[in-house]
Amino acid sequence: AQSVTQLGSHVSVSEGALVLLRCNYSSSVPPYLFWYVQYPNQGLQLLLKYTTGATLVKGINGFEAEFKKSETSFHLTKPSAHMSDAAEYFCAVSYNNNDMRFGAGTRLTVKP
Amino acid sequence: DTAVSQTPKYLVTQMGNDKSIKCEQNLGHDTMYWYKQDSKKFLKIMFSYNNKELIINETVPNRFSPKSPDKAHLNLHINSLELGDSAVYFCASSLAPGGSYEQYFGPGTRLTVT
Repeated sequence: AQSVTQLGSHVSVSEGALVLLRCNYSSSVPPYLFWYVQYPNQGLQLLLKYTTGATLVKGINGFEAEFKKSETSFHLTKPSAHMSDAAEYFCAVSYNNNDMRFGAGTRLTVKP
Repeated sequence: DTAVSQTPKYLVTQMGNDKSIKCEQNLGHDTMYWYKQDSKKFLKIMFSYNNKELIINETVPNRFSPKSPDKAHLNLHINSLELGDSAVYFCASSLAPGGSYEQYFGPGTRLTVT
Protein backbone atom coordinates (compact mmCIF):
# COMPACT_ATOMS: atom_id res chain seq x y z
CA ALA A 1 0.00 0.00 0.00
CA GLN A 2 1.17 3.48 -0.77
CA SER A 3 1.97 5.48 2.32
CA VAL A 4 3.78 8.51 3.59
CA THR A 5 5.76 8.73 6.81
CA GLN A 6 6.73 11.86 8.67
CA LEU A 7 9.57 11.29 11.08
CA GLY A 8 9.02 13.16 14.31
CA SER A 9 5.58 14.15 15.47
CA HIS A 10 7.06 17.22 17.13
CA VAL A 11 10.04 19.35 16.15
CA SER A 12 11.25 22.27 18.22
CA VAL A 13 13.72 24.87 16.95
CA SER A 14 14.95 28.25 18.10
CA GLU A 15 14.04 31.36 16.19
CA GLY A 16 16.58 31.85 13.41
CA ALA A 17 17.60 28.19 13.34
CA LEU A 18 17.26 25.79 10.43
CA VAL A 19 13.95 24.00 10.08
CA LEU A 20 14.05 20.42 8.79
CA LEU A 21 10.87 18.35 8.61
CA ARG A 22 11.22 14.85 7.24
CA CYS A 23 8.94 13.00 4.86
CA ASN A 24 9.39 9.61 3.22
CA TYR A 25 7.05 7.77 0.91
CA SER A 26 6.81 4.09 0.15
CA SER A 27 6.03 3.11 -3.39
CA SER A 28 7.95 1.90 -6.40
CA VAL A 29 6.42 4.61 -8.54
CA PRO A 30 7.38 8.18 -7.61
CA PRO A 31 4.29 10.05 -6.53
CA TYR A 32 3.33 13.66 -6.73
CA LEU A 33 4.44 15.21 -3.45
CA PHE A 34 2.99 18.02 -1.40
CA TRP A 35 3.61 19.90 1.80
CA TYR A 36 0.73 21.60 3.55
CA VAL A 37 0.72 23.82 6.64
CA GLN A 38 -2.08 24.08 9.18
CA TYR A 39 -2.12 27.03 11.55
CA PRO A 40 -4.16 26.68 14.75
CA ASN A 41 -7.89 26.51 14.16
CA GLN A 42 -7.50 26.81 10.40
CA GLY A 43 -7.66 24.57 7.35
CA LEU A 44 -4.63 23.29 5.47
CA GLN A 45 -2.77 25.54 3.03
CA LEU A 46 -0.44 24.40 0.29
CA LEU A 47 3.21 25.28 0.92
CA LEU A 48 4.69 23.65 -2.17
CA LYS A 49 4.43 20.65 -4.43
CA TYR A 50 6.58 18.50 -6.67
CA THR A 51 5.15 17.11 -9.88
CA THR A 52 7.94 16.80 -12.46
CA GLY A 53 11.10 18.61 -13.44
CA ALA A 54 13.44 20.32 -11.01
CA THR A 55 13.73 18.32 -7.83
CA LEU A 56 14.27 21.34 -5.60
CA VAL A 57 10.96 23.07 -5.16
CA LYS A 58 10.48 26.48 -3.61
CA GLY A 59 7.29 27.36 -1.82
CA ILE A 60 5.72 30.16 0.13
CA ASN A 61 7.13 31.74 3.30
CA GLY A 62 10.71 30.78 2.45
CA PHE A 63 10.18 27.02 2.57
CA GLU A 64 11.64 24.60 0.07
CA ALA A 65 11.76 20.84 -0.37
CA GLU A 66 13.88 18.48 -2.38
CA PHE A 67 12.64 15.32 -4.02
CA LYS A 68 15.22 12.54 -3.74
CA LYS A 69 14.08 9.47 -5.60
CA SER A 70 16.94 7.30 -4.37
CA GLU A 71 15.96 8.03 -0.78
CA THR A 72 12.19 8.17 -1.44
CA SER A 73 12.20 11.41 0.50
CA PHE A 74 10.75 14.89 0.24
CA HIS A 75 12.09 16.76 3.26
CA LEU A 76 10.97 20.32 3.97
CA THR A 77 13.49 22.97 4.98
CA LYS A 78 13.68 26.63 5.84
CA PRO A 79 17.02 28.32 6.57
CA SER A 80 15.80 30.53 9.39
CA ALA A 81 12.72 29.88 11.50
CA HIS A 82 10.31 32.64 12.44
CA MET A 83 7.89 32.59 15.33
CA SER A 84 5.09 32.71 12.77
CA ASP A 85 6.19 29.33 11.36
CA ALA A 86 4.82 27.54 14.41
CA ALA A 87 2.13 25.24 13.01
CA GLU A 88 1.33 21.67 12.02
CA TYR A 89 2.95 20.49 8.78
CA PHE A 90 1.64 17.68 6.62
CA CYS A 91 3.38 15.82 3.85
CA ALA A 92 1.09 14.25 1.27
CA VAL A 93 1.42 11.96 -1.73
CA SER A 94 -0.80 11.52 -4.74
CA TYR A 95 -0.80 9.31 -7.79
CA ASN A 96 -2.72 9.24 -11.04
CA ASN A 97 -5.85 8.10 -9.30
CA ASN A 98 -8.29 9.77 -7.01
CA ASP A 99 -6.34 9.47 -3.82
CA MET A 100 -4.21 11.87 -1.80
CA ARG A 101 -2.70 10.41 1.34
CA PHE A 102 -1.47 12.54 4.20
CA GLY A 103 1.24 11.84 6.72
CA ALA A 104 0.49 11.99 10.41
CA GLY A 105 1.77 15.55 10.64
CA THR A 106 4.67 17.24 12.43
CA ARG A 107 4.07 19.98 14.92
CA LEU A 108 6.71 22.71 14.66
CA THR A 109 7.41 24.79 17.73
CA VAL A 110 9.64 27.88 17.47
CA LYS A 111 11.29 29.09 20.66
CA PRO A 112 12.25 32.76 21.08
CA ASP B 1 -14.05 36.15 -0.97
CA THR B 2 -13.60 32.71 0.60
CA ALA B 3 -12.59 29.93 -1.81
CA VAL B 4 -13.91 26.98 0.23
CA SER B 5 -16.40 27.73 2.96
CA GLN B 6 -18.04 25.51 5.54
CA THR B 7 -20.94 26.05 7.89
CA PRO B 8 -21.18 25.87 10.75
CA LYS B 9 -17.71 26.42 12.18
CA TYR B 10 -18.67 24.87 15.50
CA LEU B 11 -21.33 22.26 16.15
CA VAL B 12 -22.17 20.95 19.60
CA THR B 13 -24.84 18.30 19.82
CA GLN B 14 -25.97 15.30 21.82
CA MET B 15 -25.58 11.64 21.04
CA GLY B 16 -28.27 10.25 18.79
CA ASN B 17 -28.98 13.51 17.00
CA ASP B 18 -28.76 14.05 13.23
CA LYS B 19 -26.72 16.97 11.90
CA SER B 20 -25.46 18.37 8.61
CA ILE B 21 -22.37 20.31 7.61
CA LYS B 22 -22.43 22.36 4.44
CA CYS B 23 -19.55 23.07 2.08
CA GLU B 24 -19.33 25.39 -0.88
CA GLN B 25 -16.45 26.23 -3.21
CA ASN B 26 -16.31 29.13 -5.64
CA LEU B 27 -13.16 28.01 -7.44
CA GLY B 28 -14.92 26.27 -10.31
CA HIS B 29 -13.35 22.95 -9.28
CA ASP B 30 -14.78 19.61 -10.37
CA THR B 31 -13.74 17.57 -7.34
CA MET B 32 -14.67 17.92 -3.68
CA TYR B 33 -13.69 15.96 -0.58
CA TRP B 34 -14.56 15.41 3.05
CA TYR B 35 -11.84 14.69 5.61
CA LYS B 36 -11.99 13.87 9.30
CA GLN B 37 -9.20 15.13 11.57
CA ASP B 38 -9.00 13.52 14.96
CA SER B 39 -7.60 14.93 18.18
CA LYS B 40 -4.09 13.77 17.23
CA LYS B 41 -4.33 15.77 14.01
CA PHE B 42 -4.47 12.64 11.84
CA LEU B 43 -6.26 13.49 8.59
CA LYS B 44 -8.38 10.77 7.00
CA ILE B 45 -10.27 11.04 3.76
CA MET B 46 -13.92 10.08 3.97
CA PHE B 47 -15.46 10.83 0.59
CA SER B 48 -14.58 12.31 -2.76
CA TYR B 49 -16.94 13.54 -5.45
CA ASN B 50 -16.11 14.41 -9.03
CA ASN B 51 -18.75 16.25 -11.05
CA LYS B 52 -21.35 15.28 -8.46
CA GLU B 53 -20.46 11.59 -8.66
CA LEU B 54 -18.97 9.63 -5.78
CA ILE B 55 -15.45 8.42 -6.59
CA ILE B 56 -14.01 7.65 -3.16
CA ASN B 57 -15.93 6.17 -0.28
CA GLU B 58 -13.56 5.11 2.43
CA THR B 59 -14.63 2.81 5.20
CA VAL B 60 -16.87 5.11 7.15
CA PRO B 61 -20.08 4.18 8.93
CA ASN B 62 -23.15 4.44 6.73
CA ARG B 63 -24.47 6.96 9.24
CA PHE B 64 -22.38 9.41 7.20
CA SER B 65 -23.96 10.37 3.90
CA PRO B 66 -22.52 12.96 1.52
CA LYS B 67 -24.78 14.83 -0.85
CA SER B 68 -23.65 16.88 -3.83
CA PRO B 69 -26.51 18.93 -5.31
CA ASP B 70 -24.12 20.53 -7.80
CA LYS B 71 -20.38 20.77 -8.48
CA ALA B 72 -19.94 23.69 -6.10
CA HIS B 73 -21.49 22.03 -3.06
CA LEU B 74 -20.78 18.90 -1.05
CA ASN B 75 -22.73 18.53 2.16
CA LEU B 76 -22.20 15.94 4.87
CA HIS B 77 -25.13 14.52 6.79
CA ILE B 78 -24.55 12.47 9.91
CA ASN B 79 -27.24 10.33 11.49
CA SER B 80 -27.36 9.02 15.05
CA LEU B 81 -24.28 10.87 16.21
CA GLU B 82 -21.87 9.03 18.52
CA LEU B 83 -19.18 10.27 20.90
CA GLY B 84 -16.51 8.98 18.53
CA ASP B 85 -17.73 11.30 15.80
CA SER B 86 -16.27 14.24 17.69
CA ALA B 87 -13.57 15.67 15.44
CA VAL B 88 -12.82 18.48 13.03
CA TYR B 89 -14.29 17.90 9.59
CA PHE B 90 -12.68 19.55 6.59
CA CYS B 91 -14.09 20.07 3.16
CA ALA B 92 -11.65 20.48 0.27
CA SER B 93 -11.74 20.88 -3.48
CA SER B 94 -9.39 20.42 -6.42
CA LEU B 95 -9.51 21.11 -10.12
CA ALA B 96 -9.65 17.39 -10.88
CA PRO B 97 -9.21 14.18 -8.90
CA GLY B 98 -5.78 13.04 -7.76
CA GLY B 99 -2.59 13.43 -9.69
CA SER B 100 -0.75 16.73 -9.49
CA TYR B 101 -3.77 18.79 -8.47
CA GLU B 102 -3.47 20.38 -5.05
CA GLN B 103 -6.43 20.55 -2.76
CA TYR B 104 -7.89 23.70 -1.28
CA PHE B 105 -9.26 23.32 2.22
CA GLY B 106 -12.10 24.96 4.06
CA PRO B 107 -11.65 26.32 7.59
CA GLY B 108 -13.09 23.21 9.22
CA THR B 109 -16.12 22.38 11.34
CA ARG B 110 -15.43 21.34 14.91
CA LEU B 111 -18.06 18.78 15.89
CA THR B 112 -18.47 17.97 19.56
CA VAL B 113 -20.84 15.18 20.54
CA THR B 114 -21.82 15.05 24.20
